[in-house]
Amino acid sequence: AQRVTQPEKLLSVFKGAPVELKCNYSYSGSPELFWYVQYSRQRLQLLLRHISRESIKGFTADLNKGETSFHLKKPFAQEEDSAMYYCALSTGSGNTGKLIFGQGTTLQVKP
Amino acid sequence: DAGVTQSPTHLIKTRGQQVTLRCSPISGHKSVSWYQQVLGQGPQFIFQYYEKEERGRGNFPDRFSARQFPNYSSELNVNALLLGDSALYLCASSFRQGRSEQYFGPGTRLTVT
Repeated sequence: AQRVTQPEKLLSVFKGAPVELKCNYSYSGSPELFWYVQYSRQRLQLLLRHISRESIKGFTADLNKGETSFHLKKPFAQEEDSAMYYCALSTGSGNTGKLIFGQGTTLQVKP
Repeated sequence: DAGVTQSPTHLIKTRGQQVTLRCSPISGHKSVSWYQQVLGQGPQFIFQYYEKEERGRGNFPDRFSARQFPNYSSELNVNALLLGDSALYLCASSFRQGRSEQYFGPGTRLTVT
């Protein structure tokens, strides 16, 4: 079964603390993974995708096929990072760019 | 570019009615996907259209249908509305079909009473 699991509904950290948002996936093929972020009253927006291997707003994520994980990390959290974060898997069966989302994790960065 | 636009922003319907939601993709994008997001959950895939053809369908009943027009805009139709159809409906566009980045609109909030 194709599935994305984000085990934490809420992650609360203090400003300056490291952050790790967990994401595990289940997929038998070659996965393509994304992190999307939704700030308060804004639309869902792409944060990063694993194949580009870039760092956006200080966030990075590494695909670990052995552990089927794609955790999102940031060494020092900022208050403006407070948002809902979704991990998504593109299964791309045939030519379909279907995204399967996790349930999301709310990141709360306290001052 | 305004990004993906959706209309209306909010909609209230009663059970049994029909609803049409609209989406305009980013200029140059040829693929549109629709997602349903129920409160407290991640978005769930409903349809993907590319070049006016359906390229993928999620696990939704036949009451849900969609189409894409020559200008790549799209409509999602839901017939015989149920209370459980109350959700945020998201449209996403991408340049091509397949595994490419999807850009989301602000959504249409549908409430069924």
